[in-house]
Amino acid sequence: DTGVSQNPRHKITKRGQNVTFRCDPISEHNRLYWYRQTLGQGPEFLTYFQNEAQLEKSRLLSDRFSAERPKGSFSTLEIQRTEQGDSAMYLCASSWTGGMNTEAFFGQGTRLTVV
Amino acid sequence: DAKTTQPNSMESNEEEPVHLPCNHSTISGTDYIHWYRQLPSQGPEYVIHGLTSNVNNRMASLAIAEDRKSSTLILHRATLRDAAVYYCILRDQGAQKLVFGQGTRLTINP
Repeated sequence: DTGVSQNPRHKITKRGQNVTFRCDPISEHNRLYWYRQTLGQGPEFLTYFQNEAQLEKSRLLSDRFSAERPKGSFSTLEIQRTEQGDSAMYLCASSWTGGMNTEAFFGQGTRLTVV
Repeated sequence: DAKTTQPNSMESNEEEPVHLPCNHSTISGTDYIHWYRQLPSQGPEYVIHGLTSNVNNRMASLAIAEDRKSSTLILHRATLRDAAVYYCILRDQGAQKLVFGQGTRLTINP
């Protein structure tokens, strides 16, 4: 297993365009998380899935953001009508519910630049 | 979510031990103390976690104060590859998400 994989690694888009990112979690992990990180700050939680169910969404996740995890496997995060303030690193993480407080494994992130 | 307080930055020398402090005076009885680190241009990676007792693993040790209001991450022999931002996070046993602060930026001098 190569760990959590995110694609693309970098995305430059014009303001107003839609973008979609993909995350492939570690195969046996049933939990998947999305975070956003701006320069100099720690990652901020956006949303998480257990299998295909989206169980929590942050207030940071505006109406322009939507995340899906069909069949409980990979996940996509779409941002519609991008704004310059959306420029950030988008991180995906996965974990397993098999134990108490299991660790989360993060991907390398997708860096979005909105111009 | 209970808050943690960490120094913004620390500096140490290669092959010396590093002690990274974290204060969490409002910790509750069910909060676990987690440490993650983030190397440049990488996603965060898990380092260690504990509840009450001190913990050791291949990466580091976690020393937890008796009253649990503070903890210290110990890197026994720092290498240049340990230069990263280290995050101390409180996570309730039932919580799913991790709530990151700004962390401590650790610089290792050769």
